[in-house]
Amino acid sequence: SQTIHQWPATLVQPVGSPLSLECTVEGTSNPNLYWYRQAAGRGLQLLFYSVGIGQISSEVPQNLSASRPQDRQFILSSKKLLLSDSGFYLCAWSLRQGTSRKLFFGSGTQLSVL
Amino acid sequence: RKEVEQDPGPFNVPEGATVAFNCTYSNSASQSFFWYRQDCRKEPKLLMSVYSSGNEDGRFTAQLNRASQYISLLIRDSKLSDSATYLCVVTKDSNYQLIWGAGTKLIIKP
Repeated sequence: SQTIHQWPATLVQPVGSPLSLECTVEGTSNPNLYWYRQAAGRGLQLLFYSVGIGQISSEVPQNLSASRPQDRQFILSSKKLLLSDSGFYLCAWSLRQGTSRKLFFGSGTQLSVL
Repeated sequence: RKEVEQDPGPFNVPEGATVAFNCTYSNSASQSFFWYRQDCRKEPKLLMSVYSSGNEDGRFTAQLNRASQYISLLIRDSKLSDSATYLCVVTKDSNYQLIWGAGTKLIIKP
């Protein structure tokens, strides 16, 4: 069966520090991969999605970047965190084939930038 | 107008009662619809897809009204474990983009 691992679960970082969140998927090949951010009381906001190795699409201009160095690995990064980067970050995957857009999420990272 | 709107709640409901909430969407070209459940500080988990003819999964019934552009979720015989935030999700007309509602918080009381 497919599983998705995301770490760390919580992170407290000072403003201006770098960030690296990692996500890996097991049990499937060629998944679509996604990074979302959820602010309190808000809907999930899509940050990046990827349909293949090295293929990254950004949905909103921001202080963050994403990379997909391997088929089942997705990394969210920042060179210098801002206070506004605080939030709940979720990695997700979906099947590449077919029309289903069902998403399966990692357990999330609660990021606090102080 | 938001692309996907939900009443944030909270809905406070006694155990065993029936509760229903709606979600409206603005894009008439949307093709796929889902309900996700999210517990506090946890990841969302797919509860059910919503089909045009309506569908049922145990105590949960989902319906789609394309003319009025809303979907609904009905929970019968509610359990304490149903307490969560329920997220409405709608696809845009592209093949990847999902639009998420902010969620409706449900609290089931003993």
